[in-house]
Amino acid sequence: EAGVAQSPRYKIIEKRQSVAFWCNPISGHATLYWYQQILGQGPKLLIQFQNNGVVDDSQLPKDRFSAERLKGVDSTLKIQPAKLEDSAVYLCASSSSGGINEQFFGPGTRLTVL
Amino acid sequence: DQQVKQNSPSLSVQEGRISILNCDYTNSMFDYFLWYKKYPAEGPTFLISISSIKDKNEDGRFTVFLNKSAKHLSLHIVPSQPGDSAVYFCAASEAGTYKYIFGTGTRLKVLA
Repeated sequence: EAGVAQSPRYKIIEKRQSVAFWCNPISGHATLYWYQQILGQGPKLLIQFQNNGVVDDSQLPKDRFSAERLKGVDSTLKIQPAKLEDSAVYLCASSSSGGINEQFFGPGTRLTVL
Repeated sequence: DQQVKQNSPSLSVQEGRISILNCDYTNSMFDYFLWYKKYPAEGPTFLISISSIKDKNEDGRFTVFLNKSAKHLSLHIVPSQPGDSAVYFCAASEAGTYKYIFGTGTRLKVLA
């Protein structure tokens, strides 16, 4: 079974530029999560999708961050414009039902904002 | 407001001995807890979970203990192996939310 795929693995941009991350969850997984992990901290949930609907985006900075999940499969997370404090690893995870099942994480995208 | 806390940023243990990683939480509504292991440049991988209706769950060398009155859980690894060297995160969820709050992690180093 293929795992959660993310691209790119690394991205370096300057502040005020835009960036997008892509995630392909495990086949058949209805729930998809985007997390932000700042160095030295645990992953923080940004947004949770159930199929192509948003379940929770309470911690997504909506003035600069946006996310979509087309056709309930792949998802993209965009930052526009980026700030220095957005430097972090962005993790995508999926789970089969959104219930009390474990989440499977992708390798993450390390973003550096200069 | 850190609802899930891992107060030990790092831990070193000799190979073959027991590793005990601790996690405290403040939200009494949390009813499901998970432990994840993370190697460098990889995403976290699920290790073991426990529901609030239990106080212990075991899977091979890994055992998680839950003390609801103290709002404390711990992960025991026996015997510890060098391959267990990683960052360990605990995470907690409220019933029905399917939203997990992660701790800050503990870096475990198992010395050969």
